[in-house]
Amino acid sequence: AQSVTQLDSQVPVFEEAPVELRCNYSSSVSVYLFWYVQYPNQGLQLLLKYLSGSTLVKGINGFEAEFNKSQTSFHLRKPSVHISDTAEYFCAVIVSSNTGKLIFGQGTTLQVKP
Amino acid sequence: DVKVTQSSRYLVKRTGEKVFLECVQDMDHENMFWYRQDPGLGLRLIYFSYDVKMKEKGDIPEGYSVSREKKERFSLILESASTNQTSMYLCASSLQGWEQYFGPGTRLTVT
Repeated sequence: AQSVTQLDSQVPVFEEAPVELRCNYSSSVSVYLFWYVQYPNQGLQLLLKYLSGSTLVKGINGFEAEFNKSQTSFHLRKPSVHISDTAEYFCAVIVSSNTGKLIFGQGTTLQVKP
Repeated sequence: DVKVTQSSRYLVKRTGEKVFLECVQDMDHENMFWYRQDPGLGLRLIYFSYDVKMKEKGDIPEGYSVSREKKERFSLILESASTNQTSMYLCASSLQGWEQYFGPGTRLTVT
């Protein structure tokens, strides 16, 4: 069965510092992986996705993630964060490519401090 | 751009009331989803629909039903609202097998 684990519930970091948000998955079907961001009082917005090809995926707002099949990980990184990156981040894996059904991790709150 | 809209941003209902949450998407997507979001639990799938009049239960369907009479509209129904259904409800849509696009969410409070 598919599952997603986000290893940190909260990540505090100072502005302009690098950050890594960790995500591990298990999947018995083709691995399609996603990172979403949720700003306060808003819906989820797609940051980036891995469907196939290059294991280093670049997304919006300077974020990138690396798919590591041997470690079953899909960690999200940004070299220098801004106050505006404060949000909740969700990792997700597809359960069915026919229906697009996803399983989400529990979320990681990124708190960027000045 | 894909647009997913939800009928209300905030809703307050009384215990036992019947509640309708509406979701509309404008990109002709086959798949539509309803989630609830609670702190520390992430997003949990309530129901999804892969075609008009077709639906499947998600992980937590108890206490909810859905309706999809038109491709662009997917409704979530709470037959008799209870306080443990106080939550953020998120609707999403997708083309077959691709990423989901989310609405802004409805924060429902049941008193």
